[in-house]
Amino acid sequence: DADVTQTPRNRITKTGKRIMLECSQTKGHDRMYWYRQDPGLGLRLIYYSFDVKDINKGEISDGYSVSRQAQAKFSLSLESAIPNQTALYFCATSDFWADRHTGELFFGEGSRLTVL
Amino acid sequence: GQQVMQIPQYQHVQEGEDFTTYCNSSTTLSNIQWYKQRPGGHPVFLIQLVKSGEVKKQKRLTFQFGEAKKNSSLHITATQTTDVGTYFCAGPQGAGGTSYGKLTFGQGTILTVHP
Repeated sequence: DADVTQTPRNRITKTGKRIMLECSQTKGHDRMYWYRQDPGLGLRLIYYSFDVKDINKGEISDGYSVSRQAQAKFSLSLESAIPNQTALYFCATSDFWADRHTGELFFGEGSRLTVL
Repeated sequence: GQQVMQIPQYQHVQEGEDFTTYCNSSTTLSNIQWYKQRPGGHPVFLIQLVKSGEVKKQKRLTFQFGEAKKNSSLHITATQTTDVGTYFCAGPQGAGGTSYGKLTFGQGTILTVHP
């Protein structure tokens, strides 16, 4: 089983719909991130959380919100989806030591979202 | 804001040929990380470089961090079909003092290897 699990893996929705992407991890990491991947643009940080009570905006947070329901769960919501939010979304985790030393992120399998 | 540029965007090679991807940052980096994403997969951490001029090797992969800590390269010797994928460089946003996981990624280089 994957250590970082994302659901759904694929989703097609219509403009204006509310969408939630969920991420859960069994790695025991305290730090969680949501990144968005678009072809030719690499990955861009949407939101990140260092613990349950800590939520921070990344470079492209507009149109998104997040919820850290527990140490192991971090959800990304699109309140009113629009076509340019069509992308591949990745959840990632790291622990405190790795985050301050190696920076290694552990990524989920990704959630491919299409907004029509 | 901080920008990380990566070239080339695509590279097609014959199996056995060498491959290099280059990464340039608009700001000095405290460290640089490299990730590999197989087709249809997720990014997987390869390595982190921290010191100016640092060179690290992983089997056929050689990673370099520039003297000014603004550029980096990944060189693969004698490519194999298992090397296929997208290679990303990434640097910490801001000073990186609180988190090296807040990353600015390059656009990635897509490597295809023809057998």
